[in-house]
Amino acid sequence: DIQMTQSPSSLSASVGDRVTITCRASQSISSYLNWYQQKPGKAPKLLIYAASSLQSGVPSRFSGSGSGTDFTLTISSLQPEDFATYYCQQSYSTLGFTFGPGTKVDIK
Amino acid sequence: QVQLVESGGGVVQPGGSLRLSCAASGFTFSSYGMHWVRQAPGKGLEWVAFIRYDGSNKYYADSVKGRFTISRDNSKNTLYLQMNSLRAEDTAVYYCSGGSSLGFDIWGQGTMVTVSS
Repeated sequence: DIQMTQSPSSLSASVGDRVTITCRASQSISSYLNWYQQKPGKAPKLLIYAASSLQSGVPSRFSGSGSGTDFTLTISSLQPEDFATYYCQQSYSTLGFTFGPGTKVDIK
Repeated sequence: QVQLVESGGGVVQPGGSLRLSCAASGFTFSSYGMHWVRQAPGKGLEWVAFIRYDGSNKYYADSVKGRFTISRDNSKNTLYLQMNSLRAEDTAVYYCSGGSSLGFDIWGQGTMVTVSS
């Protein structure tokens, strides 16, 4: 099974900050890496697919990069509506579309 | 509009069974691979099961293999999850989701399953 890790597990930031979240896979997953945002009591929302492609309707301040085992989600200028939990997910193996443990972004 | 609506959640005793349904509308359901994803209270997301667009292949997380069965009826635009031999650790919000290797881009609002005596 492919395992996913994320760092940090949580972070505090201010509006306007640049935020970077890292995701690592236990084996190479090429670019089969997706990022989701989840707010309390709501379903997850797809932000980035295939490591760096922005989902339709998602603001351009969100970007993704990486390939192989190491990936990054960057929010260029944090907005009030961006305080949420972010999850990476591998979609390389149909045997298990594993999610990372999540990174909670809250207000400093 | 594009919509997934789950139903069938509730409280069930350990060892019991429950069937979840997910009604799709606003998109071509029969062209979409579909998933169940769950989230235990205060925890992260856990992928549970996947079924191909035509039902030809099904995959399960190790934690539910042999106990849960995913199925679909494309004539009714509905996805199902039959859950047997339920355990306390199956307590979670269950989401249905449509997507592929390019991400899960359609989500329902979730239905709560509580396994408790």
